[in-house]
Amino acid sequence: DAGVIQSPRHEVTEMGQEVTLRCKPISGHNSLFWYRQTMMRGLELLIYFNNNVPIDDSGMPEDRFSAKMPNASFSTLKIQPSEPRDSAVYFCASSFGTFYEQYFGPGTRLTVT
Amino acid sequence: SQQGEEDPQALSIQEGENATMNCSYKTSINNLQWYRQNSGRGLVHLILIRSNEREKHSGRLRVTLDTSKKSSSLLITASRAADTASYFCATPTKDAGNMLTFGGGTRLMVKP
Repeated sequence: DAGVIQSPRHEVTEMGQEVTLRCKPISGHNSLFWYRQTMMRGLELLIYFNNNVPIDDSGMPEDRFSAKMPNASFSTLKIQPSEPRDSAVYFCASSFGTFYEQYFGPGTRLTVT
Repeated sequence: SQQGEEDPQALSIQEGENATMNCSYKTSINNLQWYRQNSGRGLVHLILIRSNEREKHSGRLRVTLDTSKKSSSLLITASRAADTASYFCATPTKDAGNMLTFGGGTRLMVKP
């Protein structure tokens, strides 16, 4: 298996633009997680899905953020409109369940100017 | 505050020395996990220790768990320059639907 795949790896956009981050989890994993990492706040869980259903989105900072998982092999995290404070590395991770070890993708480094 | 908090925040040692990192947590746990993150990369799972285990080994890694003190330690023996990374502990938190909660990490630098 290729591991968790994220795209794009780097994204530079202007404030106000829509940004879509993509994730393909490891085949067979039924849990998917979106994290955001910054120097100031460390690693934050934004949302997680179990069997494609969003279970907890309490970490999503505000309504500008939305996430979907239309099927077991694909998820998106969308920011609309983007703001400079959204600049961070966004990670997707997948696992067999919330108790188990998570496998992280390489991340998407987002810069909003 | 964070469920898992690592100590120290930063550690610098010479190649060949042992590195010890500690993690404290607040609530009861099912298991505790350690991850490594190289600069610019995603986190990589290192080892999982269950609440009924006290010690676990994996290669040069040794993890201990003391549930009475709500603490864990990660020991890397005979460190190498390639061990330079940030190390995080994480625990499934019952109050958060058993989602993993990560600490702030320990930045380890191993000098050649």
